Amino acid sequence: EPEVTQTPSHQVTQMGQEVILRCVPISNHLYFYWYRQILGQKVEFLVSFYNNEISEKSEIFDDQFSVERPDGSNFTLKIRSTKLEDSAMYFCASSEVGVVADTQYFGPGTRLTVL
Amino acid sequence: AQRVTQPEKLLSVFKGAPVELKCNYSYSGSPELFWYVQYSRQRLQLLLRHISRESIKGFTADLNKGETSFHLKKPFAQEEDSAMYYCALGNYGGSQGNLIFGKGTKLSVKP
Repeated sequence: EPEVTQTPSHQVTQMGQEVILRCVPISNHLYFYWYRQILGQKVEFLVSFYNNEISEKSEIFDDQFSVERPDGSNFTLKIRSTKLEDSAMYFCASSEVGVVADTQYFGPGTRLTVL
Repeated sequence: AQRVTQPEKLLSVFKGAPVELKCNYSYSGSPELFWYVQYSRQRLQLLLRHISRESIKGFTADLNKGETSFHLKKPFAQEEDSAMYYCALGNYGGSQGNLIFGKGTKLSVKP
């Protein structure tokens, strides 16, 4: 069964450094998402993406964040200058149809630790 | 504002006992509700959604609009049901649906 993959599984970085988290969505899916989960807190929506454009973004997704689909398979989340509070688990998800009722398939997550 | 509340952080039951994981939502329209499960060291995966009205792994969930609830139930818990369970509400706020999650309930089924 096809799955969403994410790399790396764990990223450690220094405050102020740039990080790029990578995701490969399921191949026939057109709608992509990033969520994050700070330790002990709920999973929070960051951004949704379709047709090479951001569809929606949350208040968390400020100017330090950007997303890109650099080629036909990868979907990336970049944090320009990491802060301590960016430490979290980042989940990528994809869906076939971008409607509310559609199932979103999640990747295993990337644990980001900012020192 | 749309919101999902899961009041229990941890629910511990013995094998064979009934299980009910509570979920309440805040949304004025017709909600799309989901239960996602995360087994140890595995990814979040969809368990069931109310629109499908199905039973997965013996779990069911009924939408109660009057009580704004979508509790997850299973009559006889199994040890392999031990996992984190997240209730999620589909967000109608924009052009592409995203999910609003509750904080999750850790279910521990003891032998």
